[in-house]
Amino acid sequence: DTEVTQTPKHLVMGMTNKKSLKCEQHMGHRAMYWYKQKAKKPPELMFVYSYEKLSINESVPSRFSPECPNSSLLNLHLHALQPEDSALYLCASSQGTGVGAANEKLFFGSGTQLSVL
Amino acid sequence: AQKVTQAQTEISVVEKEDVTLDCVYETRDTTYYLFWYKQPPSGELVFLIRRNSFDEQNEISGRYSWNFQKSTSSFNFTITASQVVDSAVYFCALSERNYGGSQGNLIFGKGTKLSVKP
Repeated sequence: DTEVTQTPKHLVMGMTNKKSLKCEQHMGHRAMYWYKQKAKKPPELMFVYSYEKLSINESVPSRFSPECPNSSLLNLHLHALQPEDSALYLCASSQGTGVGAANEKLFFGSGTQLSVL
Repeated sequence: AQKVTQAQTEISVVEKEDVTLDCVYETRDTTYYLFWYKQPPSGELVFLIRRNSFDEQNEISGRYSWNFQKSTSSFNFTITASQVVDSAVYFCALSERNYGGSQGNLIFGKGTKLSVKP
């Protein structure tokens, strides 16, 4: 199984809502990532979890809250988002040989297309 | 400063044509890694290739080939005999070992949208 599965595929939410994005992989990878991708732009790294611990937070606003309940699951909790947060949110995983492993190949999910009204 | 430039925003070709996607990078590191990812309309990025800075061998995989030239800081990608299924956005990316090169911290180019028409 070489898949990263993300749910839901599409999400529409109001600025006062609380929602969560989910990501799952069963490749035994120990590093998991959240990326944000605006239309016609490259992905931007948001968070990195390594061995279920948050290792990188790229100065993401607190209205985005990541969680890694176990080595296979990654969540992104959303609260009080702004319309400019509308984007494709991509989850990825890699083997996770440790922080500093700049050469790792990433496996991406298909993303959640988020619209904030 | 680290930077990846994909000067071609969009390319359109007819099936069976060869097409080359250009990638030029800038880095201050001596150890770095270059990647190509494909993003079809379905959304997921698909890993195509990884090259480290010490390995300048060109690579061929089926209809895909990559030309890495350190002298010109380029890592170009050629698709031979293109097919409609090659239509996607292609991203070139750089990761540095010693300067912010942590996991997943890829410096992406802006991407090249390739349209292959039948």
